[in-house]
Amino acid sequence: DDVLTQSPLSLPVTLGQPASISCRSRQSLVFSDGITYLTWFQQRPGQSPRRLIYKVSNRDSGVPDRFSGSGSRTDFTLKISRVEAEDVGVYYCMQGTRWPLTFGQGTRLEIK
Amino acid sequence: VQLLESGGGLVQPGGSLRLSCVASGFTFSNYAMGWVRQAPGKGLQWVSDISGSGGDTFYADSVRGRFTISRDNSKNTLYLQLNSLRVEDTALYFCAKEAGPESYGHLDSWGHGTLVTVSS
Repeated sequence: DDVLTQSPLSLPVTLGQPASISCRSRQSLVFSDGITYLTWFQQRPGQSPRRLIYKVSNRDSGVPDRFSGSGSRTDFTLKISRVEAEDVGVYYCMQGTRWPLTFGQGTRLEIK
Repeated sequence: VQLLESGGGLVQPGGSLRLSCVASGFTFSNYAMGWVRQAPGKGLQWVSDISGSGGDTFYADSVRGRFTISRDNSKNTLYLQLNSLRVEDTALYFCAKEAGPESYGHLDSWGHGTLVTVSS
């Protein structure tokens, strides 16, 4: 299975400051079609997951532009340029390149 | 897009349940669908996916042979039959929509989940 390792697992951030979450895979996540199926989800407290970013860097409709995704092959990053109170929750990366689909452990973002 | 799960509940080890997910707001048969679960206080775990036609199915090793995914496109409904349930199957089960009929690993919309508790 493709193990995804996120860091940090806990991320205390001051309002208005940037935040960064890493997601690493042991194997390249580039599919045979040349596309990298790496996705980021946000799960706010008490809510179901919401997709933020797909194919490494494409923001979903309605996702604020302070969220951005980057990376390639095995190393990926989710960045929040200026954290707001509504960003509190757990963030997961997921790979869709190979079966089984796998998620990172999750990174809990909290406000300092 | 709306996805509404139901069918969860309390069941004894070894028992069975059938989960349902009714979809609306999109042409159901044009999209593959999946199930993802989340044990209490834990992370997300993919369980199963099915193609838009229902002809192709995929399972996590932990559930293969015990769970069966299916769909009824005439009823816009996705199902997950859970058999031989174990305590470790206790989780909130989400259904999620994929990006196309045979396009997997996208999970672009999620339901609110239905809770399955396996306990004696």
